Amino acid sequence: DTGVSQNPRHKITKRGQNVTFRCDPISEHNRLYWYRQTLGQGPEFLTYFQNEAQLEKSRLLSDRFSAERPKGSFSTLEIQRTEQGDSAMYLCASSLKSGGTEAFFGQGTRLTVV
Amino acid sequence: QKEVEQDPGPLSVPEGAIVSLNCTYSNSAFQYFMWYRQYSRKGPELLMYTYSSGNKEDGRFTAQVDKSSKYISLFIRDSQPSDSATYLCALHKAAGNKLTFGGGTRVLVKP
Repeated sequence: DTGVSQNPRHKITKRGQNVTFRCDPISEHNRLYWYRQTLGQGPEFLTYFQNEAQLEKSRLLSDRFSAERPKGSFSTLEIQRTEQGDSAMYLCASSLKSGGTEAFFGQGTRLTVV
Repeated sequence: QKEVEQDPGPLSVPEGAIVSLNCTYSNSAFQYFMWYRQYSRKGPELLMYTYSSGNKEDGRFTAQVDKSSKYISLFIRDSQPSDSATYLCALHKAAGNKLTFGGGTRVLVKP
Protein backbone atom coordinates (compact mmCIF):
# COMPACT_ATOMS: atom_id res chain seq x y z
CA ASP A 1 0.00 0.00 0.00
CA THR A 2 1.59 3.27 -1.11
CA GLY A 3 -0.87 5.63 0.59
CA VAL A 4 -0.47 7.66 3.76
CA SER A 5 -0.21 5.38 6.78
CA GLN A 6 -1.13 6.35 10.33
CA ASN A 7 -0.61 4.43 13.53
CA PRO A 8 -2.25 3.58 15.77
CA ARG A 9 -5.75 3.67 14.29
CA HIS A 10 -7.34 3.98 17.70
CA LYS A 11 -6.01 5.14 21.05
CA ILE A 12 -7.81 5.29 24.37
CA THR A 13 -5.95 7.06 27.11
CA LYS A 14 -6.59 8.41 30.56
CA ARG A 15 -6.66 12.13 31.13
CA GLY A 16 -3.22 13.44 31.95
CA GLN A 17 -1.32 10.79 30.00
CA ASN A 18 0.94 11.51 27.04
CA VAL A 19 0.23 10.02 23.63
CA THR A 20 2.20 9.89 20.39
CA PHE A 21 0.91 9.26 16.89
CA ARG A 22 2.91 8.37 13.81
CA CYS A 23 2.37 9.26 10.16
CA ASP A 24 4.20 7.77 7.19
CA PRO A 25 3.51 9.91 4.11
CA ILE A 26 3.58 8.88 0.47
CA SER A 27 7.27 8.38 -0.13
CA GLU A 28 7.91 11.08 -2.74
CA HIS A 29 5.80 13.74 -0.99
CA ASN A 30 7.89 16.42 0.70
CA ARG A 31 4.92 18.24 2.27
CA LEU A 32 3.18 16.84 5.34
CA TYR A 33 0.20 18.17 7.26
CA TRP A 34 -1.59 17.35 10.49
CA TYR A 35 -5.28 18.10 10.93
CA ARG A 36 -7.76 17.46 13.71
CA GLN A 37 -11.39 16.56 13.12
CA THR A 38 -14.16 16.43 15.70
CA LEU A 39 -17.51 14.76 15.17
CA GLY A 40 -19.67 16.52 12.60
CA GLN A 41 -16.99 19.04 11.68
CA GLY A 42 -14.51 19.39 8.86
CA PRO A 43 -10.80 18.87 9.51
CA GLU A 44 -8.94 21.79 11.08
CA PHE A 45 -5.33 22.54 10.26
CA LEU A 46 -2.76 21.95 13.00
CA THR A 47 0.69 22.11 11.44
CA TYR A 48 2.70 21.84 8.22
CA PHE A 49 6.13 20.47 7.35
CA GLN A 50 8.12 20.92 4.21
CA ASN A 51 10.77 18.23 4.35
CA GLU A 52 12.00 18.30 7.97
CA ALA A 53 11.15 21.97 8.59
CA GLN A 54 7.98 22.83 10.49
CA LEU A 55 6.87 25.94 8.64
CA GLU A 56 3.47 26.70 10.10
CA LYS A 57 1.57 25.96 13.31
CA SER A 58 -2.06 26.74 14.05
CA ARG A 59 -3.15 28.52 17.20
CA LEU A 60 -5.00 25.25 17.89
CA LEU A 61 -1.62 23.67 18.54
CA SER A 62 -1.19 24.53 22.20
CA ASP A 63 2.09 24.08 24.05
CA ARG A 64 0.94 20.57 25.01
CA PHE A 65 1.21 19.55 21.35
CA SER A 66 4.46 18.96 19.54
CA ALA A 67 5.14 17.59 16.09
CA GLU A 68 8.35 16.46 14.47
CA ARG A 69 9.47 15.18 11.13
CA PRO A 70 13.05 14.01 11.52
CA LYS A 71 14.90 13.48 8.26
CA GLY A 72 11.88 14.64 6.32
CA SER A 73 10.27 11.22 6.23
CA PHE A 74 7.74 10.06 8.84
CA SER A 75 6.22 12.45 11.35
CA THR A 76 5.08 12.17 14.95
CA LEU A 77 2.49 14.17 16.82
CA GLU A 78 2.72 14.11 20.61
CA ILE A 79 0.08 15.36 23.02
CA GLN A 80 1.22 15.82 26.60
CA ARG A 81 -1.09 15.84 29.63
CA THR A 82 -4.12 14.90 27.53
CA GLU A 83 -7.47 16.50 28.26
CA GLN A 84 -10.97 15.30 27.36
CA GLY A 85 -11.19 18.09 24.80
CA ASP A 86 -8.34 16.46 22.90
CA SER A 87 -10.65 13.59 21.91
CA ALA A 88 -10.83 13.76 18.13
CA MET A 89 -9.65 12.16 14.91
CA TYR A 90 -6.08 13.21 14.08
CA LEU A 91 -5.45 13.15 10.36
CA CYS A 92 -2.18 13.26 8.50
CA ALA A 93 -1.92 14.27 4.84
CA SER A 94 0.90 14.59 2.35
CA SER A 95 1.29 16.27 -1.01
CA LEU A 96 3.77 17.25 -3.67
CA LYS A 97 2.14 20.58 -4.35
CA SER A 98 2.09 23.68 -2.19
CA GLY A 99 -0.77 24.58 0.11
CA GLY A 100 -2.03 21.07 0.45
CA THR A 101 -3.37 21.09 -3.07
CA GLU A 102 -4.15 17.53 -3.99
CA ALA A 103 -3.30 16.39 -0.49
CA PHE A 104 -3.83 12.73 0.25
CA PHE A 105 -5.03 11.79 3.70
CA GLY A 106 -4.38 8.80 5.88
CA GLN A 107 -7.10 6.90 7.70
CA GLY A 108 -6.54 8.89 10.86
CA THR A 109 -5.91 8.10 14.50
CA ARG A 110 -9.02 8.28 16.66
CA LEU A 111 -8.12 9.48 20.16
CA THR A 112 -10.46 9.03 23.10
CA VAL A 113 -9.46 10.61 26.39
CA VAL A 114 -11.35 9.17 29.38
CA GLN B 1 -18.68 33.51 10.75
CA LYS B 2 -16.76 30.62 9.25
CA GLU B 3 -14.60 31.22 6.20
CA VAL B 4 -16.23 28.30 4.39
CA GLU B 5 -19.89 27.41 4.82
CA GLN B 6 -21.43 24.09 3.88
CA ASP B 7 -24.92 22.77 4.62
CA PRO B 8 -24.53 19.79 6.97
CA GLY B 9 -27.52 17.92 5.53
CA PRO B 10 -28.36 15.11 5.64
CA LEU B 11 -29.24 15.07 1.98
CA SER B 12 -31.29 12.02 1.07
CA VAL B 13 -31.81 11.07 -2.58
CA PRO B 14 -33.06 7.98 -4.42
CA GLU B 15 -30.58 5.85 -6.32
CA GLY B 16 -29.94 7.24 -9.80
CA ALA B 17 -30.72 10.83 -8.88
CA ILE B 18 -28.33 13.75 -9.25
CA VAL B 19 -26.73 14.87 -6.00
CA SER B 20 -26.04 18.59 -5.78
CA LEU B 21 -23.64 19.89 -3.14
CA ASN B 22 -22.27 23.35 -2.58
CA CYS B 23 -20.06 25.57 -0.47
CA THR B 24 -19.81 29.31 -0.10
CA TYR B 25 -16.76 31.21 1.02
CA SER B 26 -16.05 34.74 2.08
CA ASN B 27 -12.39 35.35 1.27
CA SER B 28 -11.46 36.02 -2.33
CA ALA B 29 -7.90 34.92 -1.52
CA PHE B 30 -9.05 31.31 -1.90
CA GLN B 31 -7.87 30.25 -5.32
CA TYR B 32 -7.81 26.44 -5.26
CA PHE B 33 -10.80 24.23 -4.65
CA MET B 34 -11.10 20.58 -3.78
CA TRP B 35 -13.83 18.11 -2.94
CA TYR B 36 -13.22 15.18 -0.64
CA ARG B 37 -15.41 12.20 0.18
CA GLN B 38 -15.26 10.77 3.69
CA TYR B 39 -16.82 7.52 4.77
CA SER B 40 -17.64 7.04 8.43
CA ARG B 41 -14.51 6.70 10.59
CA LYS B 42 -12.21 6.91 7.56
CA GLY B 43 -9.89 9.58 6.24
CA PRO B 44 -11.00 12.02 3.51
CA GLU B 45 -10.49 10.84 -0.08
CA LEU B 46 -9.71 13.40 -2.78
CA LEU B 47 -12.36 13.46 -5.51
CA MET B 48 -11.85 16.63 -7.52
CA TYR B 49 -9.40 19.53 -7.71
CA THR B 50 -9.81 22.73 -9.66
CA TYR B 51 -8.37 26.22 -9.63
CA SER B 52 -10.35 28.15 -12.19
CA SER B 53 -13.91 29.28 -12.59
CA GLY B 54 -16.01 26.98 -14.72
CA ASN B 55 -16.73 23.28 -14.82
CA LYS B 56 -14.50 20.25 -14.49
CA GLU B 57 -15.80 16.77 -15.14
CA ASP B 58 -14.46 13.40 -14.01
CA GLY B 59 -16.69 10.42 -14.63
CA ARG B 60 -19.92 10.88 -12.71
CA PHE B 61 -18.55 13.92 -10.87
CA THR B 62 -18.67 17.55 -12.00
CA ALA B 63 -17.08 20.36 -10.01
CA GLN B 64 -18.20 23.90 -10.66
CA VAL B 65 -16.53 27.08 -9.45
CA ASP B 66 -17.89 30.63 -9.58
CA LYS B 67 -15.23 32.87 -8.11
CA SER B 68 -17.28 36.03 -8.68
CA SER B 69 -20.02 34.66 -6.41
CA LYS B 70 -17.61 32.78 -4.12
CA TYR B 71 -19.64 29.64 -4.68
CA ILE B 72 -18.52 26.13 -5.53
CA SER B 73 -20.56 23.05 -6.35
CA LEU B 74 -20.19 19.33 -6.82
CA PHE B 75 -22.65 17.29 -8.81
CA ILE B 76 -22.85 13.51 -8.71
CA ARG B 77 -24.75 11.92 -11.58
CA ASP B 78 -26.42 8.52 -11.46
CA SER B 79 -25.92 8.33 -7.71
CA GLN B 80 -25.30 4.92 -6.13
CA PRO B 81 -25.77 3.70 -2.55
CA SER B 82 -21.97 3.53 -2.36
CA ASP B 83 -21.92 7.32 -2.76
CA SER B 84 -23.46 7.61 0.71
CA ALA B 85 -20.81 9.51 2.65
CA THR B 86 -19.89 12.96 3.91
CA TYR B 87 -18.64 15.34 1.24
CA LEU B 88 -16.19 18.04 2.24
CA CYS B 89 -15.16 21.07 0.26
CA ALA B 90 -11.61 22.28 0.89
CA LEU B 91 -10.09 25.54 -0.24
CA HIS B 92 -6.68 27.08 -0.09
CA LYS B 93 -5.13 30.45 -0.75
CA ALA B 94 -2.50 31.01 -3.39
CA ALA B 95 0.20 31.77 -0.84
CA GLY B 96 -1.12 29.52 1.90
CA ASN B 97 0.11 26.31 3.45
CA LYS B 98 -3.15 24.75 4.53
CA LEU B 99 -6.58 23.65 3.43
CA THR B 100 -9.64 25.29 4.94
CA PHE B 101 -12.53 22.85 5.05
CA GLY B 102 -16.25 23.25 5.11
CA GLY B 103 -18.12 21.33 7.77
CA GLY B 104 -19.20 18.64 5.33
CA THR B 105 -22.56 17.53 3.92
CA ARG B 106 -23.82 14.07 4.74
CA VAL B 107 -25.36 12.33 1.74
CA LEU B 108 -27.57 9.26 1.82
CA VAL B 109 -28.44 7.51 -1.43
CA LYS B 110 -31.35 5.14 -0.93
CA PRO B 111 -31.66 1.99 -3.09
